[in-house]
Amino acid sequence: DTGVSQDPRHKITKRGQNVTFRCDPISEHNRLYWYRQTLGQGPEFLTYFQNEAQLEKSRLLSDRFSAERPKGSFSTLEIQRTEQGDSAMYLCASSFEGFTEAFFGQGTRLTVV
Amino acid sequence: DAKTTQPTSMDCAEGRAANLPCNHSTISGNEYVYWYRQIHSQGPQYIIHGLKNNETNEMASLIITEDRKSSTLILPHATLRDTAVYYCIADDMRFGAGTRLTVKP
Repeated sequence: DTGVSQDPRHKITKRGQNVTFRCDPISEHNRLYWYRQTLGQGPEFLTYFQNEAQLEKSRLLSDRFSAERPKGSFSTLEIQRTEQGDSAMYLCASSFEGFTEAFFGQGTRLTVV
Repeated sequence: DAKTTQPTSMDCAEGRAANLPCNHSTISGNEYVYWYRQIHSQGPQYIIHGLKNNETNEMASLIITEDRKSSTLILPHATLRDTAVYYCIADDMRFGAGTRLTVKP
């Protein structure tokens, strides 16, 4: 297992377009997290899944953002009608349930022009 | 919001111990404290975690106060490669801005 994989690594899109990112967690990790990070800030929690169930979603997340984790394996994060303020690094992490460490992917850097 | 607070930045001389503090006075009795670090342009990397007892691994030591209101991450012999942003978080996986540690020659 090579760790948490995110695709694409970089995405440039025009304002108003939809984008989708993919995260492949470490095999058998049942928890999966999505974060957004802008320059100089810590990762901002967006949502997390336990298996296929989305258990929590940040109240700061607008309805333009949606995440899925079908079958409890990989996850996708979609942003509809992108805005310049969506430009950021989007990070995914996975872990086992319980008091264990999370492993992060390298992130997807989104630039909205 | 994160349950932890940390100083914005710290400096440390190469070869000396780096002691990074974290306040977490609102965590519950069964919440673990985790430390991660992030080097520029990479995802955060796990360092260590603990509940009540002090912990040590090959990367660092974690000292948790008896009242569990604060903790200190210790890098015993800091190197230039330890320059990074260090985050202290609880079980809720909420990150604050962390501490930017700069190790100087």
